[in-house]
Amino acid sequence: GAVVSQHPSWVICKSGTSVKIECRSLDFQATTMFWYRQFPKQSLMLMATSNEGSKATYEQGVEKDKFLINHASLTLSTLTVTSAHPEDSSFYICSAIRPGGTDTQYFGPGTRLTVL
Amino acid sequence: GESVGLHLPTLSVQEGDNSIINCAYSNSASDYFIWYKQESGKGPQFIIDIRSNMDKRQGQRVTVLLNKTVKHLSLQIAATQPGDSAVYFCAEKPAGNNRKLIWGLGTSLAVNP
Repeated sequence: GAVVSQHPSWVICKSGTSVKIECRSLDFQATTMFWYRQFPKQSLMLMATSNEGSKATYEQGVEKDKFLINHASLTLSTLTVTSAHPEDSSFYICSAIRPGGTDTQYFGPGTRLTVL
Repeated sequence: GESVGLHLPTLSVQEGDNSIINCAYSNSASDYFIWYKQESGKGPQFIIDIRSNMDKRQGQRVTVLLNKTVKHLSLQIAATQPGDSAVYFCAEKPAGNNRKLIWGLGTSLAVNP
């Protein structure tokens, strides 16, 4: 299989605080992971590409200082939403690509962030 | 940018009928296409994929058809079941080393018992 987990599955925080979301590939090593956000009834919006051992590549319009991404190992990438505000409330989803296969992205279950 | 107030296209089918979900993709240079299923509150789940050198691929109860001439992708679900109710997204990968996917807007499938 290709199992990707995320933690936490949901989080509620106060405005101005920072929140860290973890994404793990459980049964494979992933050199590339992706972070998406999704608003209700909309498609996935790519935020950044996370490469193990190097800096993440952010999509246009995504603030790299606000959404900190760290891909320190082949099985773990983290997304930290710094100084969160209510407009950051969203569903955050990560995905990972299995090496040696196709470019299929396997997704985590998502993290629901609510900023009060 | 983001679309506000966008309503997903909805396909409503009777249990046991076949479903066809369509997708128009954007890049004629895309060489890899994937269908994902997303249930409410969950991450997308891989269903089936197809490379641009093929025009049809079958899985268990699902078939993907690719028409490169008109840049059209479809997902056929045989004998649709209530558990198939979800939002279905098509995604395309442009040729080259960039591994990012371009996502469709999604289609909501409702299966009536």
